[in-house]
Amino acid sequence: DTGVSQDPRHKITKRGQNVTFRCDPISEHNRLYWYRQTLGQGPEFLTYFQNEAQLEKSRLLSDRFSAERPKGSFSTLEIQRTEQGDSAMYLCASSLGLAGLSYNEQFFGPGTRLTVL
Amino acid sequence: AQSVTQPDIHITVSEGASLELRCNYSYGATPYLFWYVQSPGQGLQLLLKYFSGDTLVQGIKGFEAEFKRSQSSFNLRKPSVHWSDAAEYFCAVGAGNTGGFKTIFGAGTRLFVKA
Repeated sequence: DTGVSQDPRHKITKRGQNVTFRCDPISEHNRLYWYRQTLGQGPEFLTYFQNEAQLEKSRLLSDRFSAERPKGSFSTLEIQRTEQGDSAMYLCASSLGLAGLSYNEQFFGPGTRLTVL
Repeated sequence: AQSVTQPDIHITVSEGASLELRCNYSYGATPYLFWYVQSPGQGLQLLLKYFSGDTLVQGIKGFEAEFKRSQSSFNLRKPSVHWSDAAEYFCAVGAGNTGGFKTIFGAGTRLFVKA
């Protein structure tokens, strides 16, 4: 399978705990995105990387959230001191960004569903 | 700012009937438009996309969509709905380099199919 993979698929945690999610993009893709989808809503952009550089962060990404892509391959999203409002599906996507192209199609992973009790 | 509006929160159609899901977008440049489908608890599946060229786009599962620049619309259609089409449908626009290349989604339309 050469698609985007995410781990874990489901995570249940207690309020106040820290959680970390992993995303493995399509291997040749240099851009990686994180989105959050709450119940009844469309996915909302959180942040994106080009190679290992984090180029944009949404205002949705509070200081409890941190994302990394240390070697320009896989990425992790950590949420510290989780709150019930963090319960959502966290989606990862990747794309191949080429110079001169104004847009590159993003391929989405299956998501990690987080439940904070 | 870029945005996507799906005016219908939910739609119910009879199996075998035709379907049209509405989508309006706001984007300053040439839009890159998508329709995704999501079944409960599942990830997003791309139905079709429009980047340029013919404004009538064919997708998977018998879906098609028409880009109308004058109306800023990208409505999704299917001539005959099957019970397995019941799901959530999201219209999305891809922001270009001035928008960080992110994908901006509408709030979704939930499709119910009755026998």
